[in-house]
Amino acid sequence: QKEVEQDPGPLSVPEGAIVSLNCTYSNSAFQYFMWYRQYSRKGPELLMYTYSSGNKEDGRFTAQVDKSSKYISLFIRDSQPSDSATYLCAMRGNAGNNRKLIWGLGTSLAVNP
Amino acid sequence: ETGVTQSPTHLIKTRGQQVTLRCSSQSGHNTVSWYQQALGQGPQFIFQYYREEENGRGNFPPRFSGLQFPNYSSELNVNALELDDSALYLCASSLGGDPFGSPLHFGNGTRLTVT
Repeated sequence: QKEVEQDPGPLSVPEGAIVSLNCTYSNSAFQYFMWYRQYSRKGPELLMYTYSSGNKEDGRFTAQVDKSSKYISLFIRDSQPSDSATYLCAMRGNAGNNRKLIWGLGTSLAVNP
Repeated sequence: ETGVTQSPTHLIKTRGQQVTLRCSSQSGHNTVSWYQQALGQGPQFIFQYYREEENGRGNFPPRFSGLQFPNYSSELNVNALELDDSALYLCASSLGGDPFGSPLHFGNGTRLTVT
């Protein structure tokens, strides 16, 4: 079992839809959770950075962390064609070897006009 | 604020050759990390440099080496290239000396093809 599981998709939605992207993980030591967006032929861009459980909102984006279920989500409201990209989750713990950043494979999202 | 810049954007090399990739970190950032991203995969940590010293390394062989310069720019060198080295090589800058302690800011990468 991989430490971080992420469905690679592709996920295709109409413009204006609410998008839900998810990752599950197995290491209970993980405490820092990140979502990156990567456009084709570009480097990953940090979208959301959260610590421990709870929600964080930034504009149309909401990140949720449920440590009891080892499950994190990224919601995109009112999705736009410009949101079409690959979304990568990444996470790490706080001590020793758990400090290493572990990445998901990324989910490919297409928002259709 | 100047972002992370990498050069070249694309490169084609032959198996057995050597390659040098370059990175200028984001203004104010003193730490540079290098990642390898194969197609359809997440980035894999190669190593990090802080104050011109390597202070963290992933599971990559010694033929992957690097340098950091006083202006915080960095190079990644790969010797004896293998076909499996074909990938997108990403440079990321951050603040502080902890390999994973602060959010990473990535450049757009160098696409290396080994034939």
